[in-house]
Amino acid sequence: QKEVEQDPGPLSVPEGAIVSLNCTYSNSAFQYFMWYRQYSRKGPELLMYTYSSGNKEDGRFTAQVDKSSKYISLFIRDSQPSDSATYLCAMSVYSSASKIIFGSGTRLSIRP
Amino acid sequence: DAGVTQSPTHLIKTRGQQVTLRCSPKSGHDTVSWYQQALGQGPQFIFQYYEEEERQRGNFPDRFSGHQFPNYSSELNVNALLLGDSALYLCASRNRDWNTEAFFGQGTRLTVV
Repeated sequence: QKEVEQDPGPLSVPEGAIVSLNCTYSNSAFQYFMWYRQYSRKGPELLMYTYSSGNKEDGRFTAQVDKSSKYISLFIRDSQPSDSATYLCAMSVYSSASKIIFGSGTRLSIRP
Repeated sequence: DAGVTQSPTHLIKTRGQQVTLRCSPKSGHDTVSWYQQALGQGPQFIFQYYEEEERQRGNFPDRFSGHQFPNYSSELNVNALLLGDSALYLCASRNRDWNTEAFFGQGTRLTVV
């Protein structure tokens, strides 16, 4: 069993829709939770960074962490074609400076 | 600020050869980590360097080795290349004393034939 499980998609939604991306994990020691966006042939770009359980909002993006269920989510409101990319969930035990464990990524396409 | 820069961007090597990939960290960063990203997969941690020493290592064989220089730049070396080593190799940097995230470079696409 992988430490982090993520539905690979692909996921295709119309412009303006709310997108929900999810990951589950097995290691209860994870404390730092991240979402990265990766465009084709580019390096990952950090979108959201959360410590422990709770919600965090940044513009159209909301990250949720439920440590009791070992489940994290990323919501994108008012989705735009420019949001089309692969979204990677990631987590680490100590901080974003230490070994980061990534999910396999969900490929998202926003239809104009 | 140039961010994290990696070279070369693309590379084709023959099975059994050796390869060296290079990474220059973002200005002010002293810690470099390397990741391997196979097609359709998430990045996998190879190792991390700071103060010119390997500090953490993922589940990769000894064929994968690295180095960090006094100017904080880093190299990833892979010996006896296998077809399965074909991947995007990513470098991430940060400063250990700053409470900020790691920044990733654009990666080096390695193809082993």
